[in-house]
Amino acid sequence: AQSVTQLGSHVSVSEGALVLLRCNYSSSVPPYLFWYVQYPNQGLQLLLKYTSAATLVKGINGFEAEFKKSETSFHLTKPSAHMSDAAEYFCAVSGSARQLTFGSGTQLTVLP
Amino acid sequence: EPEVTQTPSHQVTQMGQEVILRCVPISNHLYFYWYRQILGQKVEFLVSFYNNEISEKSEIFDDQFSVERPDGSNFTLKIRSTKLEDSAMYFCASIGTGDTQYFGPGTRLTVL
Repeated sequence: AQSVTQLGSHVSVSEGALVLLRCNYSSSVPPYLFWYVQYPNQGLQLLLKYTSAATLVKGINGFEAEFKKSETSFHLTKPSAHMSDAAEYFCAVSGSARQLTFGSGTQLTVLP
Repeated sequence: EPEVTQTPSHQVTQMGQEVILRCVPISNHLYFYWYRQILGQKVEFLVSFYNNEISEKSEIFDDQFSVERPDGSNFTLKIRSTKLEDSAMYFCASIGTGDTQYFGPGTRLTVL
């Protein structure tokens, strides 16, 4: 069985500051891991994914994440936050039928 | 760019009524999924569908739910007798030969 824990349901950063959203996973098999972003009243958009290739994964909009097996983590970072980054971010792990198990989400607020 | 589409965008129904939510996955995709997101909560997996049959389902997907691919393009979720707690956003997703799930914009179901 898979599970995902996202630490911090709400994160606030100033515009231009580092964004760090935390995700820890549990998986009985080598995981495929994903970060999705959800803007208000919209669907889920893939930011990036880890599928057992490079451990540092780059995604869209300047986001990246590093897979650390020893820490069972897949934290999402962005060097400099932009106002348009304000959204909800979900970490997810893929199961045997490739269904996704999502974390509870982190609401990112960017302060001017 | 191909995308997953869902209709209707918003469905209002009375408790006990049947509803059918419709999805058109990306053509040539092989795996299909339904998820739901109760307001303010995380996205939850309902069911996966491959080769014209259910490949995996969650505890949420009880006898009140069914899925069908009635033709080569549509993928439907039927709720036989809706309850108040079925009010949620329902997302359809599909995967082709890769690992990425592409999500539709969702159908907001309101049960009165």
